[in-house]
Amino acid sequence: QVQLQESGPGLVKPSETLSLACTVSGVSIRNDDSHWNWIRQDPGKGLEWIGYIHHSGTTNYNPSLHSRLSMSIDTSKNQISLTLKSVTAADTGTYYCVRDPALGAFDSWGPGTKVTVSS
Amino acid sequence: EIVLTQSPATLSLSPGERATLFCRASETIDRLLAWYQQKPGQAPTPLIYDASYRATGVPARFTGSGSGTDFTLTISSLESEDFAVYYCQQPVTPITFGGGTKVEI
Repeated sequence: QVQLQESGPGLVKPSETLSLACTVSGVSIRNDDSHWNWIRQDPGKGLEWIGYIHHSGTTNYNPSLHSRLSMSIDTSKNQISLTLKSVTAADTGTYYCVRDPALGAFDSWGPGTKVTVSS
Repeated sequence: EIVLTQSPATLSLSPGERATLFCRASETIDRLLAWYQQKPGQAPTPLIYDASYRATGVPARFTGSGSGTDFTLTISSLESEDFAVYYCQQPVTPITFGGGTKVEI
């Protein structure tokens, strides 16, 4: 059974860089053909897809975030990472690490990590 | 990007009643639509993929249908644990979600 666990700072100052990690257990990322996604949710609002990365290094980012976004994979730690630069209050929300096993749908979600952008 | 519009925004029903939720895509997506359930304070959980296939462990009272631009999620007889928010999602990048339908008592 695949399990995902997000980690990162709960509070980030405006204009700084947000860095999050997702540790994957139950499957080896290097041997799995899934897309590893980040999805966020504004407080009390809907879901926004941020982007995904494949173990080959292929990425696909939401155009709305593309200029500030970077994702990476560390197969030795079985971990994926997200970096979002120049954050603003609009980046506040819960960030989820999510797997798409090449279905076009998301079958495994982490519990999410809350991020607040505030000075 | 493909916009998904869910209706109604809120559905007020009683246990045992039938719930019908709609999701309309701004352009055709064949049968590439998924549904998720989200309860307060929790991550979404998968219900349906490819418009009509139930995810592992999803009860048979959940049925997905539709193709092209119009899709439906039906809960045949609401159980107490079904009162939640439901989202639809399409996989053409940028991946998008509908705004959600809250099923409340």
